[in-house]
Amino acid sequence: EVQLVESGGGLVKPGGSLRLSCAASGFTFSSYSMNWVRQAPGKGLEWVSSININGAYIYYADSVKGRFTISRDNAKNSLYLQMNSLGAEDTAVYYCTRERAPNYNSGLNYWGQGTLVTVSS
Amino acid sequence: EIVLTQSPGTLSLSPGERATLSCRASQSVSSSYLAWYQQKPGQAPRLLIYGASSRATGIPDRFSGSGSATDFTLTISRLDPEDFAVYYCHQYGNSLYTFGQGTKLEIK
Repeated sequence: EVQLVESGGGLVKPGGSLRLSCAASGFTFSSYSMNWVRQAPGKGLEWVSSININGAYIYYADSVKGRFTISRDNAKNSLYLQMNSLGAEDTAVYYCTRERAPNYNSGLNYWGQGTLVTVSS
Repeated sequence: EIVLTQSPGTLSLSPGERATLSCRASQSVSSSYLAWYQQKPGQAPRLLIYGASSRATGIPDRFSGSGSATDFTLTISRLDPEDFAVYYCHQYGNSLYTFGQGTKLEIK
C-alpha cells in the first residue's frame, strides 16, 4: 500500500524557517517524480514545487521561488521542503504528492494527509 | 504560467441529476495533460481523471472527462450523494503546474 506521511509542520514566526519531510513507502520511491502542493485555510490548491527522480530537474511556483528548496533522499525514501523567509501567505496545509506513473508527469494520484504550517507572530 | 479558470464557481444540483463542470486554460495544455480531482472537507484531494479523459483506478464510470487544447469538461452523469464536494482541474503539461480555483458542487 502506498503511503506518504508528512511531518515538520507547526507554528513559526514571520521571517522564520521550517523543514517539511515526507516519508514514502509501498512503492519504489526512486522511480517517481514528487511534488509539494499546499492549500491555505478555506482556499484552493496551489502547486508549490516538483522534483524528478534524481533531483536533476526541479521547479518552483513563482510565489516560493528563492525561498523554498525541494530535495529528496532516495536511499531514505524521503522528500523534503526547506522553507525560509516565511510569511503569513505561506500559512497552509502542505501535501506531499506522487505522480501517477513512473518517471514522467502523469497526474497526482497519491497524496499524504498533509501537515499544517502556520506563520504568525 | 498557464492559468486555469473553472466555471461555475458553485453548482447546485440534486442527486440523480447530471453535472457539467468546465475548465478553461489561458493557453493550450500540452498533450491534454489535464487532470480532475475531488476534495471533500478535511480530506486530501483524490484523482478522478488524467489525460483529460482517462479515469483513475477505482473511479466510477459516472465520472467522465473530455476536451482538448484550452477547453475541458468533467461530467458526472447521475449525481450520487457522495459526489457533492469541491472539484479542481490541474494541468501538468507544463513544468510549472497549475490548478483551477475549484468548483463547489452542492446539494440543491
